[in-house]
Amino acid sequence: DIQMTQSPSSLSASVGDRVTITCRAGQSISNYLHWYQQKPGKAPNLLIHAASSLQTGVSSRFSGSGSGTEFTLTISSLQPEDFATYFCQQSHSTPWTFGQGTTVDIK
Amino acid sequence: QVYLQESGPGLVKPSQTLSLTCTVSGASISTGYYSWSWVRQHPGKGLEWIGYIYYSGSTYYNPSLKSRVTMSIDTSKNQFSLRLNSVTAADTAVYYCVRDGGIQHWLSLDVWGQGTTVTVSS
Repeated sequence: DIQMTQSPSSLSASVGDRVTITCRAGQSISNYLHWYQQKPGKAPNLLIHAASSLQTGVSSRFSGSGSGTEFTLTISSLQPEDFATYFCQQSHSTPWTFGQGTTVDIK
Repeated sequence: QVYLQESGPGLVKPSQTLSLTCTVSGASISTGYYSWSWVRQHPGKGLEWIGYIYYSGSTYYNPSLKSRVTMSIDTSKNQFSLRLNSVTAADTAVYYCVRDGGIQHWLSLDVWGQGTTVTVSS
């Protein structure tokens, strides 16, 4: 299985802050890396696919970058609705695997 | 707009079989372009991908659960299903049915059901 490691596990930030979350894969996964946002009691929601392609309808303050084994999700200016947990996921090799999640809460 | 809705018992006894169904609306499950997955989330924890099925019936199961999992698909009802046998308390989780967006979207999981909580307890 390809292990996905996110950092940090949690962070506290203020509205307007720039936030960066990192995801590292245990082996190269090309661009088969996706980011999801999950709010309490809700299903995850796809934000970015293929490392950097913004899903339709997702705010442009979200961006993704990276390739191979290291990837980042950036929120350019944190908004109140962005406080949530973020997961990365690889679909390069089965079984598909997720990072452990990064919780973004209010400072 | 594509919607997925899980259904099934919320309480299952230890050693019995967990059975869930996902009803797809807004799209045909027979479109060979997509696979249909199950993902679970233990309370307060991360996400675990259980496996997928194609409309043809072809499946892939996570090796961690493979010995206990069966997925099936009913194209006439536009539904797919999950069976997990010999359940224990460790199978207590929220179960999501999910569609992948096809190779065009690099197999990302683009449509999720709302999730259903399954508790294993006597």
